[in-house]
Amino acid sequence: AQKITQTQPGMFVQEKEAVTLDCTYDTSDQSYGLFWYKQPSSGEMIFLIYQGSYDEQNATEGRYSLNFQKARKSANLVISASQLGDSAMYFCAMSPRRGFKTIFGAGTRLFVKA
Amino acid sequence: DTGVSQNPRHKITKRGQNVTFRCDPISEHNRLYWYRQTLGQGPEFLTYFQNEAQLEKSRLLSDRFSAERPKGSFSTLEIQRTEQGDSAMYLCASSQVTGTGYDYEQYFGPGTRLTVT
Repeated sequence: AQKITQTQPGMFVQEKEAVTLDCTYDTSDQSYGLFWYKQPSSGEMIFLIYQGSYDEQNATEGRYSLNFQKARKSANLVISASQLGDSAMYFCAMSPRRGFKTIFGAGTRLFVKA
Repeated sequence: DTGVSQNPRHKITKRGQNVTFRCDPISEHNRLYWYRQTLGQGPEFLTYFQNEAQLEKSRLLSDRFSAERPKGSFSTLEIQRTEQGDSAMYLCASSQVTGTGYDYEQYFGPGTRLTVT
């Protein structure tokens, strides 16, 4: 069965510092995609970054980077230079190549302190 | 086209009533997803369309739930004989499949919050 695990219910980070949000996954598929979404208190889900299972390079999008360790089945999100607006829920998600059911983790709530 | 829209944004209904939600995806997107999100949890997959074909359904989608996407455009999600356990945020997302047959980013709508009293 496919599963996403986010073990940090809440995280605090000082403004301008970097923070790592953990995500581990379980799948028997060889080809899959990993995603991170941000959900502010307003409720909308905002796509942040994508990593394909066959991508050799770690994905980066501005201040977001994905630390992909395939053998360990982990896909941690690194946010550099945290900003107050980064305070939100962050969800890790996975979608298999065959079949299109995307599964989400339970999320990590990030609090950025001034 | 400014994004995925969902209507209504909020719905309060009494147990046993039927409700219908609408999702208008980004116009050029051929894939449409429905999710349910309860408080403090991540979205749970309900069903997925490619164009007008419903290709996958979660076992969470009981017989009381039905979804359609006529003509591959907007989609509706109907819940019959609502129960208090149906209270949740219902999210719609759309995406565009690439030439490799794989989609990447899903664009989410603002959701419809259902409260069953």
